[in-house]
Amino acid sequence: DAGITQSPRYKITETGRQVTLMCHQTWSHSYMFWYRQDLGHGLRLIYYSAAADITDKGEVPDGYVVSRSKTENFPLTLESATRSQTSVYFCASSEEGTQYFGPGTRLLVL
Amino acid sequence: SQQGEEDPQALSIQEGENATMNCSYKTSINNLQWYRQNSGRGLVHLILIRSNEREKHSGRLRVTLDTSKKSSSLLITASRAADTASYFCATGRSGAGSYQLTFGKGTKLSVIP
Repeated sequence: DAGITQSPRYKITETGRQVTLMCHQTWSHSYMFWYRQDLGHGLRLIYYSAAADITDKGEVPDGYVVSRSKTENFPLTLESATRSQTSVYFCASSEEGTQYFGPGTRLLVL
Repeated sequence: SQQGEEDPQALSIQEGENATMNCSYKTSINNLQWYRQNSGRGLVHLILIRSNEREKHSGRLRVTLDTSKKSSSLLITASRAADTASYFCATGRSGAGSYQLTFGKGTKLSVIP
C-alpha cells in the first residue's frame, strides 16, 4: 500500500542498547521528519531531512542519530537508549507544507 | 518550545452540538494547520490556512485565522461520536524552514452519543 510506514510498531529495550526505528514512504516526498510525543509536551521535532543526504536537528536531537541515504527511508537511531527516551515516535513526510504521519512506534526503555 | 497553544485542553459535548477549539501562537507564520489524532494513531491533516487567508471551510470544518491577534479557531459543526479525538494546531513559520511545523499540545474532544 502507498503511504508512510513505521517499524517496529512496538519495541521494548534496555538502557544502553542501540535501537533503530525505521520509516519508509512511497510518495517520494522530499521532506521527512521525526517527532516524539509525550504527555504534557505534545509533539516535539527530533530531526528532519530536506532531501537525501541532507539532515538537520530539530528541537530535541540529543541522543538520536538519523541518516537518509535514499529518499524513501529515514531511520532514527538511539545510540544508547535511556529511560527518558521512552515515548511514542512518529515519522512524517511533507508535500507542499502538509505533513503525512506514520502510525507511530511505541518505545519502552527499561 | 511550543509555538501554538490550544484552548481548551479538553472539551466534552453532546453529539449534534458544535465544537470550537482555539489556537494562539507567538511569531510570524506562513500557514497554520489543524490535525486530528485518534487514540493510538498517527496525526491526520485536516485543513491548512495561509497567512493571507481569513477563513476556510472543508466539509463540517471551518477554520479562521486572525494574524493581528495571532490566533486561529477550528469549528466542527454537527459533531459526531466519530469526531472524538485530539486536535492539534501546527504553525509553519515564515521564510527559510517553512516546511517545519511546530505543534501545540492539543485539545482532547469527547463527543458523547
